[in-house]
Amino acid sequence: GENVEQHPSTLSVQEGDSAVIKCTYSDSASNYFPWYKQELGKRPQLIIDIRSNVGEKKDQRIAVTLNKTAKHFSLHITETQPEDSAVYFCAASKRGTYKYIFGTGTRLKVLA
Amino acid sequence: GAVVSQHPSWVICKSGTSVKIECRSLDFQATTMFWYRQFPKQSLMLMATSNEGSKATYEQGVEKDKFLINHASLTLSTLTVTSAHPEDSSFYICSARQGAHEQYFGPGTRLTVT
Repeated sequence: GENVEQHPSTLSVQEGDSAVIKCTYSDSASNYFPWYKQELGKRPQLIIDIRSNVGEKKDQRIAVTLNKTAKHFSLHITETQPEDSAVYFCAASKRGTYKYIFGTGTRLKVLA
Repeated sequence: GAVVSQHPSWVICKSGTSVKIECRSLDFQATTMFWYRQFPKQSLMLMATSNEGSKATYEQGVEKDKFLINHASLTLSTLTVTSAHPEDSSFYICSARQGAHEQYFGPGTRLTVT
C-alpha cells in the first residue's frame, strides 16, 4: 500500500526565516497532495494542496512543489511567524479510494 | 461551508463498555466519510472508509468487530468502540469527503478508557 515519509520530524527556525518540509510517497498513482497544520488537540486545517498535473502552487507565504518523477513534494513557508508554530502533516491520495495516507508529521517551532 | 461536527468532544468510559462517536456533515452531503485515530505526538492513522448505504472498508490491522462503523445517512457516520480497553484511549477524528479529493475534518473526540 501507499507509504508517505516526511522529514524532518522537528524543525526550529528563527522568526522571519524560511522553513521547508519534505515528503516522499510510494504509490505512483497518487494524484492529490494536501498539507495540513494541526495545533494541539485541534482538528487538522488544510493550508495548501496540489494536484499531480501541477508542479508548483503558491498562496502568500506558503508554497508547495511537486516532483512526480521522484515522487517528492515539499512545503515551503517563507517569512515565518510565531503563529506558524504547529505540527504539519503531508498526505497523499489517489482516485478510486480517495483516502489520505498521512506522513509522520513535522513539529515546527518558530523562535521569536 | 463544509463544516463537520463530532460528538462527543471527549468521553471517559470504563474498560469493557462501548462508546459511540458521531460524525456529521452539517452543510453538505457526504457519501464517503473516513475515520482516523491519532495517538499523542503521532500522525493520523486511517482506520476505515465509511460509505453511505454499504459496509465500511477497514484498513489492515483494524478489527472490524471492535470498531463498528455505520453510515446510515448522507450526513451521519458513527463509530462504536466495543468492549473498550485502556489501549483504545486515543483521539478519534472523522472527515467527510466533498468533491473529488477534498476532506473536511471534524474537531475530534478524545476517548479515555479507565
